[in-house]
Amino acid sequence: QQKVQQSPESLTVSEGAMASLNCTFSDGTSNNFRWYRQHSAKGLEVLVSIFSDGEKEEGRFTAHLNRANLHVSLHIREPQPSDSAVYLCAVRGGGSAKLIFGEGTKLTVSS
Amino acid sequence: SVLLYQKPNRDICQSGTSLKIQCVADSQVVSMFWYQQFQEQSLMLMATANEGSEATYESGFTKDKFPISRPNLTFSTLTVNNARPGDSSIYFCSSRPGGYAEQFFGPGTRLTVL
Repeated sequence: QQKVQQSPESLTVSEGAMASLNCTFSDGTSNNFRWYRQHSAKGLEVLVSIFSDGEKEEGRFTAHLNRANLHVSLHIREPQPSDSAVYLCAVRGGGSAKLIFGEGTKLTVSS
Repeated sequence: SVLLYQKPNRDICQSGTSLKIQCVADSQVVSMFWYQQFQEQSLMLMATANEGSEATYESGFTKDKFPISRPNLTFSTLTVNNARPGDSSIYFCSSRPGGYAEQFFGPGTRLTVL
């Protein structure tokens, strides 16, 4: 059973400073990773999807994947107060249709 | 891509009642998934529903409590039977069209059980 864990549980950064969020997974055959943002228990906004080791950038959001280390991270460049939200990591294992979510990181960006 | 619509957006019901949440896709999809999210927590996969077959439930979720119908390739209904305050959460439907790696989510239905 895939386990997805995120850290830290909450994070406060100043506006303009880099924000870094971490996600570990247990299934080494996983091949599909994405980061979502959710404002105040609203809908899910997909930020970045990544399928192979390395880096994927979408605007101010960059995902880094290292499958050997079972780790995927999200870096937010120049975060703004409007980026304050819960960030969810989701992973799909190889051969599985199931997308499994982490517990989320609550990001607060102070101005 | 696929757009998913859910109805209702939110609902308030009394304990012991049942309610239905509908999910409609703007194109045909093979699998639909239902997720439950308690306040500011993870999304938990409840079940996978394929057209014309019984839904497959994850641990902790049962057909008796959360029956799911999937009558065609664009529609699914999740029912919450004998609702309890502990069922108060947001319910999301989701789908991954064939040939797509991306998975799409509906806007969610916020349920409050009094």
